[in-house]
Amino acid sequence: AQSVTQPDIHITVSEGASLELRCNYSYGATPYLFWYVQSPGQGLQLLLKYFSGDTLVQGIKGFEAEFKRSQSSFNLRKPSVHWSDAAEYFCAVGALIQGAQKLVFGQGTRLTINP
Amino acid sequence: KAGVTQTPRYLIKTRGQQVTLSCSPISGHRSVSWYQQTPGQGLQFLFEYFSETQRNKGNFPGRFSGRQFSNSRSEMNVSTLELGDSALYLCASSGNGLAGNEQFFGPGTRLTVL
Repeated sequence: AQSVTQPDIHITVSEGASLELRCNYSYGATPYLFWYVQSPGQGLQLLLKYFSGDTLVQGIKGFEAEFKRSQSSFNLRKPSVHWSDAAEYFCAVGALIQGAQKLVFGQGTRLTINP
Repeated sequence: KAGVTQTPRYLIKTRGQQVTLSCSPISGHRSVSWYQQTPGQGLQFLFEYFSETQRNKGNFPGRFSGRQFSNSRSEMNVSTLELGDSALYLCASSGNGLAGNEQFFGPGTRLTVL
């Protein structure tokens, strides 16, 4: 079965510091991987996605993620965080069922930014 | 282009009642998926509709049902509400729901069951 693990429930970083959020997945086939961000009271916004090709993908808001098949990981990074990055971040794998895609999400990582 | 809209945004019900939530996808999108978000279970897939047909279903009891109309708008219904049904219900639309398609999420409906 497909699964996604985000080992860090809560991370606190200082504004201007670098950030890395971890994500490990389990999926039998070539994965479709996504990172979403959720601000309080809001829905989910897609940051970036990986399907194939270059294992380093660029997203919006200065985020990037690297796909490492050997480690079954898809970690999200940002070189310098801003106070507005405080939110909850979800990693997801797109599982194909009966030809259609179902998103399987990790438990999320809540990011707090210290001024 | 307008985003995914969900109505109502907030809802309070009592145990045993039923509730209907509505989702209007982005214009031109034909796939609508529903997810339940709770602090304990996180984000869980409920079901997905495409062209008025349910294609996928998650592991939820039969009290949870849905439908999709010819204009792609979707509704989900929960009957005989339980306290554990309190959650944020998110709707997502995509062009065809196939592999790799981005799903665009609405703001959600916050359901509280008393």
